[in-house]
Amino acid sequence: DAGVIQSPRHEVTEMGQEVTLRCKPISGHNSLFWYRQTMMRGLELLIYFNNNVPIDDSGMPEDRFSAKMPNASFSTLKIQPSEPRDSAVYFCASSFSGSLTGETQYFGPGTRLLVL
Amino acid sequence: AQSVTQLDSQVPVFEEAPVELRCNYSSSVSVYLFWYVQYPNQGLQLLLKYLSGSTLVKGINGFEAEFNKSQTSFHLRKPSVHISDTAEYFCAVIPRAGGTSYGKLTFGQGTILTVHP
Repeated sequence: DAGVIQSPRHEVTEMGQEVTLRCKPISGHNSLFWYRQTMMRGLELLIYFNNNVPIDDSGMPEDRFSAKMPNASFSTLKIQPSEPRDSAVYFCASSFSGSLTGETQYFGPGTRLLVL
Repeated sequence: AQSVTQLDSQVPVFEEAPVELRCNYSSSVSVYLFWYVQYPNQGLQLLLKYLSGSTLVKGINGFEAEFNKSQTSFHLRKPSVHISDTAEYFCAVIPRAGGTSYGKLTFGQGTILTVHP
């Protein structure tokens, strides 16, 4: 299995531009998570989906952030307009929820975003 | 709600020395417990997890952790560390009911382990 795939791996953009981050979860997993990691705030859960439905988006910072999961194999996290304080590493993770073996989340390599 | 406290933000050790990374949690319900490792410029990788049974759990790369319910702790240990163990380590919990988990993982703030030659 290729694991969780994220693209792009690096993104540099200017303030005010739209940024779209993409994630392909592990095949067969039914839960998908978007995290943000910064030095100041550590690892924060932004939103998670179960069976393509958003379950908890309480971590989404503000209306500039939106996430979609149109099908079981693809999700996007969009920032519009972007601001310098959005600079961070964004991780996508997936898991099989409801498993008797415990909900192990598998993380992608992350997208390193820099907003100038 | 759950909370996880990693008691040390940084732990420097010399190569071949033993190490313990401390983790305490708080939860009103039963939980599963995890340790993840993050190597520089990479995503998080599962190190080990406690679901049930023996309170001593063995993971990859020679790490082990012991679940102590009375002290609500899940400390990570390795008897002899290598330079390659230099990374950030995260403790996490997820609520469980019966034999399955539900809700979201709650992570600690992380402990940076630096192994010196």
